[in-house]
Amino acid sequence: GAGVSQSPSNKVTEKGKDVELRCDPISGHTALYWYRQSLGQGLEFLIYFQGNSAPDKSGLPSDRFSAERTGGSVSTLTIQRTQQEDSAVYLCASSFQGASSDTQYFGPGTRLTVL
Amino acid sequence: KQEVTQIPAALSVPEGENLVLNCSFTDSAIYNLQWFRQDPGKGLTSLLLIQSSQREQTSGRLNASLDKSSGRSTLYIAASQPGDSATYLCAVKGSARQLTFGSGTQLTVLP
Repeated sequence: GAGVSQSPSNKVTEKGKDVELRCDPISGHTALYWYRQSLGQGLEFLIYFQGNSAPDKSGLPSDRFSAERTGGSVSTLTIQRTQQEDSAVYLCASSFQGASSDTQYFGPGTRLTVL
Repeated sequence: KQEVTQIPAALSVPEGENLVLNCSFTDSAIYNLQWFRQDPGKGLTSLLLIQSSQREQTSGRLNASLDKSSGRSTLYIAASQPGDSATYLCAVKGSARQLTFGSGTQLTVLP
């Protein structure tokens, strides 16, 4: 079946603009995660959705970052008033139920460049 | 706070060699440990997942071990091939559902 998909694959924006990144998880997966991979910082957790529960936002770096998940499927990560330090690859992952034993499957990522 | 360290940061070997990648973590209270492969410009591909109750997992030429009490895992690659060249990432899952990643080992297998 189809894996996790993300769009766009690349996004170049100017400092101060808002951007939206999209993630389509594997069908039937109830858990969805956003991570960020930047030079010098490695791969870091941003936010986690599990079913209808309140999301775990503990990894969001500032209030300029927000995410939503509509209908328990597609998720959108929004970055407002982008800064150059937001440049990174944003990775989305999904797992079957978010259980401790579940494997997380990753999408190809969105490379964001803020000029 | 969980911290994951991978050694070495980079490794270059001739084709055919067996090699070991190391991963260590500071908090032994984990649910599982996962090894990923990342090719340039691509996402992460899961290679092996070891549950906290397991000692090792094998898939083809790959073998991963876990010593939870000492906070260590190794990924053993047998008979390396140029196609194995990639960055290998180790990640652990603790009480929170998200993964904590190491910084990776960049492997180059020379033909």
